Amino acid sequence: EAGVAQSPRYKIIEKRQSVAFWCNPISGHATLYWYQQILGQGPKLLIQFQNNGVVDDSQLPKDRFSAERLKGVDSTLKIQPAKLEDSAVYLCASSPVRGGGYTFGSGTRLTVV
Amino acid sequence: DQQVKQNSPSLSVQEGRISILNCDYTNSMFDYFLWYKKYPAEGPTFLISISSIKDKNEDGRFTVFLNKSAKHLSLHIVPSQPGDSAVYFCAASEVTNAGKSTFGDGTTLTVKP
Repeated sequence: EAGVAQSPRYKIIEKRQSVAFWCNPISGHATLYWYQQILGQGPKLLIQFQNNGVVDDSQLPKDRFSAERLKGVDSTLKIQPAKLEDSAVYLCASSPVRGGGYTFGSGTRLTVV
Repeated sequence: DQQVKQNSPSLSVQEGRISILNCDYTNSMFDYFLWYKKYPAEGPTFLISISSIKDKNEDGRFTVFLNKSAKHLSLHIVPSQPGDSAVYFCAASEVTNAGKSTFGDGTTLTVKP
């Protein structure tokens, strides 16, 4: 079974620029999550999708962050404009049902300078 | 307010001995708990979970114990191996939103040969 694919692996941008991350979950997994992990901290949920609908985006800074999951498969997370404090690893995860363990991708390490 | 706390940032044990990683939570609505293991430059990997209807779950060398009255869980690794050296994250979720997990900040385990 192929894992959760994320790209790019690394991204360096200047503050106020925009950036987008892509995630392809495990085939058949209905639930997809985007987490932000700041260095030295645990992952923090940004947004949760069930198929192509948003289940929870209460912790997504909607003034600058947006996410979509077209056709209930791939997902993109966008930041516009980026701030220095957005420097983190952005992890995508998927699960077949709500609950249980997730399968995480390797993440995208974003550095905002 | 951090709802899931791992108070030990690091732990060092000798190969063959027991490793005990601890986790405390404050939200009494949490009823499903998970442990993830993370190697550098990789996403977290699901390790083991426990439902609040149990107080123990075992999978090979890994055992998770849950003390609901104390809002405390622990992960035991016996015997510890050098390949177990990683960051371990505790996570918790609620039955009403079983997909959304809240993570602790992790404990770095080092197993010395």
